[in-house]
Amino acid sequence: DIQLTQSPSFLSASVGDRVTITCRASQGITTYLTWYQQKPGKAPKLLIYTASTLQSGVPSRFSGSGSGTEFTLTINSLQPEDFATYYCQQLHSYPITFGQGTRLEIK
Amino acid sequence: QVQLQESGPGLVKPSQTLSLTCTVSGGSINSGNYFWSWIRQPAGKGLEWIGRIHTSGSTTYNASLKSRVTISIETSKNQFSLKLSSVTAEDTAVYFCARGRDGYSIFDFWGQGTLVTVSS
Repeated sequence: DIQLTQSPSFLSASVGDRVTITCRASQGITTYLTWYQQKPGKAPKLLIYTASTLQSGVPSRFSGSGSGTEFTLTINSLQPEDFATYYCQQLHSYPITFGQGTRLEIK
Repeated sequence: QVQLQESGPGLVKPSQTLSLTCTVSGGSINSGNYFWSWIRQPAGKGLEWIGRIHTSGSTTYNASLKSRVTISIETSKNQFSLKLSSVTAEDTAVYFCARGRDGYSIFDFWGQGTLVTVSS
């Protein structure tokens, strides 16, 4: 199975900050990498797919980059509604796997 | 707007079979090149993909659960279902159904999730 390791696991930031979350894959997955946002008690929400394509309706302050084994999710100018848990997911090989999550909290 | 809704018992006894159904509304489960997946999340933990089905009936399962999982589809009812046999307390989780679009497992629509507890 392809392991995805996110760092950091926990992140404290303020409104207006720029934050970056990293996702590392245990083997190359080209750009078959997706990012989701999950708020407590809710289903995950698709943010970015194929590593860098913004899902329709997602604010442009979210961006993704990377290929192969290292990927990043960047959020510019954090808004109050961005405080949530973020997951990466690979769809290169079965089984589909997710990172362990990065919890973003208000400082 | 496509919507998905999970339904099924919230409590299952150990060794029994967990059965859930996902009803799709706002579009035909048959239209487009979609895969329909089940994903679960134990309380306070991460996401685990269980398996998926295409409208053709083709299935792919997570090998870690494969011996216990069956996913089926009923296009006439716009539904797909999950059966997980021989459950234990480790199967206690929120279960989500989701649509994977464009022939990939990019999950663009999700159900709200349903908590299933395995306990006697």
